[in-house]
Amino acid sequence: KQEVTQIPAALSVPEGENLVLNCSFTDSAIYNLQWFRQDPGKGLTSLLLIQSSQREQTSGRLNASLDKSSGRSTLYIAASQPGDSATYLCAVGSSNTGKLIFGQGTTLQVKP
Amino acid sequence: DAGVIQSPRHEVTEMGQEVTLRCKPISGHNSLFWYRQTMMRGLELLIYFNNNVPIDDSGMPEDRFSAKMPNASFSTLKIQPSEPRDSAVYFCASSFFQGQYSNQPQHFGDGTRLSIL
Repeated sequence: KQEVTQIPAALSVPEGENLVLNCSFTDSAIYNLQWFRQDPGKGLTSLLLIQSSQREQTSGRLNASLDKSSGRSTLYIAASQPGDSATYLCAVGSSNTGKLIFGQGTTLQVKP
Repeated sequence: DAGVIQSPRHEVTEMGQEVTLRCKPISGHNSLFWYRQTMMRGLELLIYFNNNVPIDDSGMPEDRFSAKMPNASFSTLKIQPSEPRDSAVYFCASSFFQGQYSNQPQHFGDGTRLSIL
């Protein structure tokens, strides 16, 4: 059974700092990994999707990497801003069913 | 472009009542997902449809829960009878599924916050 873990559960950093969020998964038989952002009272917004054949994806100040063999992904946020404050969730797409299995998320606070 | 639309945004009702949550997916998407989010269990997939057909309902917690997708632009999640432990935020998401190995992101609605008293 696939399990997705995100560490840390919460993170507070000063504005301008570069930071890394971690995601690990137990079953390497995945076909994609997605990072989402969730603001309070809102749904999830897709940030980046990495296909299983890819190593990384970039969008603006965000860079996500994938290492299937070690069961790890990282989300790198450069030059963090207060507007980046949100909960970030990692989700793994199953090779068999198309389902997404979510981690519990990392709640990020960027202080001005 | 309109995103995934869910209604109602908030629902407060008494235990034992029937609850119906509604979802309109993004036009052109052929996969629809219902999730439940709680502090204790995080985000859980309840059921998903592909081309209006239920593919996997293994996440539906009990027979009190049922979901339908009568056409490509509408889906409902029904709880009957409702219980206090059903209180959660329920999300609907949609995507375009291109065969077995879909690599399209899921788009989420803003959710329905359900409180059962």
